[in-house]
Amino acid sequence: GENVEQHPSTLSVQEGDSAVIKCTYSDSASNYFPWYKQELGKGPQLIIDIRSNVGEKKDQRIAVTLNKTAKHFSLHITETQPEDSAVYFCAAVGYNTGNQFYFGTGTSLTVIP
Amino acid sequence: GAVVSQHPSWVICKSGTSVKIECRSLDFQATTMFWYRQFPKQSLMLMATSNEGSKATYEQGVEKDKFLINHASLTLSTLTVTSAHPEDSSFYICSARDLGQGLVMPQHFGDGTRLSIL
Repeated sequence: GENVEQHPSTLSVQEGDSAVIKCTYSDSASNYFPWYKQELGKGPQLIIDIRSNVGEKKDQRIAVTLNKTAKHFSLHITETQPEDSAVYFCAAVGYNTGNQFYFGTGTSLTVIP
Repeated sequence: GAVVSQHPSWVICKSGTSVKIECRSLDFQATTMFWYRQFPKQSLMLMATSNEGSKATYEQGVEKDKFLINHASLTLSTLTVTSAHPEDSSFYICSARDLGQGLVMPQHFGDGTRLSIL
């Protein structure tokens, strides 16, 4: 089955700086990669996703890059704000595995004002 | 759009009682819903996949008689924790897959249910 690794597990940045979270996956057939933000006591919220036919996608301060050859994808948050503080999860999904979501272990991001 | 409502958000009950958690997709239809369990500071652990009109598929190690799942309509799935014990205390989260998003469909999550068994 698919194995997703996520790094770092914790990340602290100064407000205004950029934050980068990286994930690697093992199954080359995975073709959909969403990122979720989970605030304390709440469920994960989809913030951005990318499909395997695209190398990069951007939505305001958030961007995701995908390197299919190396089997890794990254979340980039620019101009971080305190409200970006949360736990972020990546996932890898493949249609050939029944669309099962394989989640990373999460990154706790703290933005220091 | 793509809102998933989960109820209740928090429940405390005595050991031995059964607890039902509801998961509703509010503005889309979902033939498939998922139930996860999350321990503090850990990732989501898939418990079972709930399919509308058929039996749920449970992950290895999850007791189907302990965690009863019913998916009676395209917008509602329920998880019942039967004869709950303190070790069942956890954060339970449901998600639903949007039918209208093509072959690979995003999952949209509810806000979770904090279950505490005394």
